[in-house]
Amino acid sequence: GESVGLHLPTLSVQEGDNSIINCAYSNSASDYFIWYKQESGKGPQFIIDIRSNMDKRQGQRVTVLLNKTVKHLSLQIAATQPGDSAVYFCAENSLPPNSNSGYALNFGKGTSLLVTP
Amino acid sequence: GAVVSQHPSWVICKSGTSVKIECRSLDFQATTMFWYRQFPKQSLMLMATSNEGSKATYEQGVEKDKFLINHASLTLSTLTVTSAHPEDSSFYICSALGLVQETQYFGPGTRLLVL
Repeated sequence: GESVGLHLPTLSVQEGDNSIINCAYSNSASDYFIWYKQESGKGPQFIIDIRSNMDKRQGQRVTVLLNKTVKHLSLQIAATQPGDSAVYFCAENSLPPNSNSGYALNFGKGTSLLVTP
Repeated sequence: GAVVSQHPSWVICKSGTSVKIECRSLDFQATTMFWYRQFPKQSLMLMATSNEGSKATYEQGVEKDKFLINHASLTLSTLTVTSAHPEDSSFYICSALGLVQETQYFGPGTRLLVL
C-alpha cells in the first residue's frame, strides 16, 4: 500500500554540525510535502514545505530537498542546536487508502534527532 | 499567525466517563479541522476530518459514536470521547487548515489518561 517512511529512527549529531533527516514515500501522486518538528509532549510544529514542482526550498537554517525520481525527501538543518532535539516527521498530502479527507496528511514514522554538546 | 490551541492540555478520568476536548484556531478561521491520535513513540494517526457546519468524516476503524466531533463555528471544533476506557488513553492532537489549504497547523495536544 502507499506509505511514507523514514530511513533512520534515530539520529545523533553534535552541536554545530549539520543534520540530514531522510524520508521515502511511495505514492507517485503525492504533490505536497511538509516537515514537522515535534517536541516531547507537544503538538507538531510546521517547519517547511515543498511542492512537487520544486526540488529544493530553503528556510531559516533548514533546507528541504525533493527527489521525485527516487521518491525521496530530506530535511537539512544547518548548525544544529540543542533546541533542535525533537522528533521530525515528514508528511505528504495524498489520500490514504480509506480516507475521505481531501487535505489529510499521511505521516511518516518519525526520526528522533538528538543533539549532543 | 496560525495559532491553534487545545483545552484541556491533560485530563485524567475514570473509566466510563465522557471527556470533551476543545480545539480553537486563535487568529484565523478554519473551515476544516482534523483530529489525530498519537500513541507513545508512534506517528500521528488521523481519526476524523471536521468541517464547519457539517458532519465529521471518520477514518476507517474509528467509531463515530464513541468519538463525537462537533465543528459549530469557524474557530472551534470539539472532540468528545464517550464512555472512555483505558485503551482510549492517548495523546489527542487537532489541526486546522490555514490559508494555504494544504498546510495544517497543529494544536499543542491533549493527553488523556483513563483509569
